[in-house]
Order: sequence, then C-alpha cells, then structure tokens
Amino acid sequence: EAGVAQSPRYKIIEKRQSVAFWCNPISGHATLYWYQQILGQGPKLLIQFQNNGVVDDSQLPKDRFSAERLKGVDSTLKIQPAKLEDSAVYLCASSLEGSGIQETQYFGPGTRLLVL
Amino acid sequence: GQSLEQPSEVTAVEGAIVQINCTYQTSGFYGLSWYQQHDGGAPTFLSYNALDGLEETGRFSSFLSRSDSYGYLLLQELQMKDSASYFCAVRDNSNTGKLIFGQGTTLQVKP
Repeated sequence: EAGVAQSPRYKIIEKRQSVAFWCNPISGHATLYWYQQILGQGPKLLIQFQNNGVVDDSQLPKDRFSAERLKGVDSTLKIQPAKLEDSAVYLCASSLEGSGIQETQYFGPGTRLLVL
Repeated sequence: GQSLEQPSEVTAVEGAIVQINCTYQTSGFYGLSWYQQHDGGAPTFLSYNALDGLEETGRFSSFLSRSDSYGYLLLQELQMKDSASYFCAVRDNSNTGKLIFGQGTTLQVKP
C-alpha cells in the first residue's frame, strides 16, 4: 500500500514570495490533515478536510495561508506571502474516516520550507 | 485550553528500559496516542490508550491514568534505532479526530 506522498521535499524562498505544497493521501482515506512542525516542537494542525469539506481550520492563518482539496483526493497548501516565521516542516497526514475514537493518522515525509 | 507536558530529552543505554511521561490538560478527552519521529522523518503511530491501564505492543508499552491526566510510554530492551523523538498526543473532540501534540521527547540511546 502506497503511503502519503508529498512534494516538494525541500523549498527555499525569500520572504514575501509565495509557495505551494502538494499532498496525495493514502487511497481511500477520507480525511486529510495539514500540520506545521516548527523545529523542536510537535506538529500543529493547520487544517483538516473530510472528503472535500473543511472540518477544522481554526489554527490556519487565513490572511496568508490557503488550502484546498478538490475532488476529495489530493490537496494543496499555499502560503502567500511567506514570512520568516513560516520556516518549518509542513506535514500532510491522512486517516480512513477522521471521526473514529481510535484512528491512526498516517503521515507523509513532509516539505521542509526555509524562508530567507 | 489544551496542553501537554513531556520531558524534552531522555538518555539511556542500549538494552535498558526507559519511561517517557506525559501529562495533559484538555477540555475533552478521547484517548492518548504516542508517535515516533526519527530525525528528518515522518511521525509514525506507536500506540493508543482510551481506557486506564497498560497496552503492550512488542518492546513498547503505553499506560494511561485518566484520573491523573497522565500517561507514559515504556520502551524496553532499547536499541540504537530507538533514538528518535517521541510525541504524546490527545484527541479532544470525538467528532473531528483532531490531535493535539506535545512538544516531544528526544530519546538518545547510547551504546
């Protein structure tokens, strides 16, 4: 079974530029998550999709971050314009349903973003 | 609000046993999970506790005490490959499946 795929793996941009990340979840997984992981910290949920609808985006900085999951499969996360503090690893995860009490989230390898 | 506390670093020798503690405060509680993350890698699921007690999976065990808002991950027969960061995470909403992660504990296993 193929895992969660993400691209690119690394990205270096200058502040005020825009950047986009792509995620393809495990086939058949209804729920997709985007996390931000700053060095030395745990992952922080940015946005959660159930199929192509948003379930939780309470911690997404909506003035600069946007995400979509068209057709309920793959997803893109965009930052425009980027700030220095956006330097982090952006992890995508998926789970089968997202609403079960016990449900494992499967993480992709992440995209390491450095904003200069 | 929600918060989780774990030690930032733990060091142990190969073959030993190590315990990583996690205390939490959440508005709701629907289980405590543990994830392992090697440097530069993706977090991977280790264990989940919804009820009080000990869950064992091979060399790893996880414990939960809901009355104390406390859990721990126990790693036995440590191997060099166990050197990684370990995160506890709570699910505070049964409808969304949202996980709140702790800051992580870096485990260094020495020969």
